[in-house]
Order: sequence, then C-alpha cells, then structure tokens
Amino acid sequence: NAGVTQTPKFQVLKTGQSMTLQCAQDMNHNSMYWYRQDPGMGLRLIYYSASEGTTDKGEVPNGYNVSRLNKREFSLRLESAAPSQTSVYFCASSEGPGWWQPQHFGDGTRLSIL
Amino acid sequence: DAKTTQPPSMDCAEGRAANLPCNHSTISGNEYVYWYRQIHSQGPQYIIHGLKNNETNEMASLIITEDRKSSTLILPHATLRDTAVYYCIVHSGNTPLVFGKGTRLSVIA
Repeated sequence: NAGVTQTPKFQVLKTGQSMTLQCAQDMNHNSMYWYRQDPGMGLRLIYYSASEGTTDKGEVPNGYNVSRLNKREFSLRLESAAPSQTSVYFCASSEGPGWWQPQHFGDGTRLSIL
Repeated sequence: DAKTTQPPSMDCAEGRAANLPCNHSTISGNEYVYWYRQIHSQGPQYIIHGLKNNETNEMASLIITEDRKSSTLILPHATLRDTAVYYCIVHSGNTPLVFGKGTRLSVIA
C-alpha cells in the first residue's frame, strides 16, 4: 500500500520551461491537494480537488494549472517556470469531502528553476 | 480559523515523554485541534485530532484543557525517529488547513 506517490522526486528546470508534476493515491480518496513549501514557511495550498471532476484555487494558484485525471490522479502543471516557483511540492489526499478529514501526504517533489 | 501559538523548538530525552504545548485562546466552539508532524525530507503526517475530549491513538495522546484555549500533544516514549516539526492546527472543517511554523522537536539520545 503506497499511499500517495509523487513523481518525480527531484527536477531542475530552466526559466520558461514547462513541466507536469504527477500525483497518484491508492486509498480510494475523493479529495486531493497540491501544496508548496518554501524555506522557513509553512505549507501553502496551490489547488485542490474536492472530488473527481472538480478543481478549485487555493492560496497561491498563479502560474499553475491542475488536472484531476481520474479519482486516483491529480497533476500540477507549470506552463512557464519561473525562479519564484523553486520549492518543494507536496500532494495530499483525504477521504473527503470536507476539510475536516485528515490529509495524507506524499514525500514531495523538489523543484529548482534556474 | 483560530490562530495557534507554539514554541519554536523543544528538546526531549529519548525514552521520556515529549509534551508539546499549543495555545489557541480564540478557538470557536466548532473548531477542532489537529496535530501533524513533518520529519525531515518527508511530507507531513497526520497524528491526531480532537474537539474537547482527550484523545489517544497508537501514535500519541491529545489533552485539551476544559476551556479549550490550549492543548498538549504527548508522545509517551519519544524515540529518535520522533524528531520532527510538529504543527498544531485549529480548524473548523469549512476552510483549508493552514500550517504555521510549528515546533521543532529534537529527541536526544
């Protein structure tokens, strides 16, 4: 039982390149989330999907797009990467709907943009 | 959601109980207290949550004061693997979780 799996674990991009971060969960959860974590700061919500077929913006959505491909998979796309998007990205899932359900996190994608 | 205050860091001897405090003096009646932790280079891990009664699971115990203005997470027998940042979050369930800076717990051999 893998839980929440994120790929890749590490990536280096050049400014202006595009990239998709992949996330898959095997817990049959309804809700999925993307966060970013910068040094010295807490996690900030980028986008979330309360259920299959829906997506909504979080606190810091600018520069990102998401796709809820199916119940298992939720991808995050950077269309034109910028150095300010250098961060550690975490995907999470919960039984949902509702924010009160405990969230289960992947181990992150460490993204550097030069 | 109510704001929380946690000490930035704490130390605990291995094998002893680790007691992590959290103040949430403006908590509302419908808000729960959640605890997550983040071990270095890993994603956050849910530990426990409660409304007003004390809660215990296989990982920890959560003690909430009667007035609900503060709480304590207890790791009964801390090990080196419990070294992590611990986040106390007060949350109504109607809005996204907000992670603060947490308490960095160092378990010392």
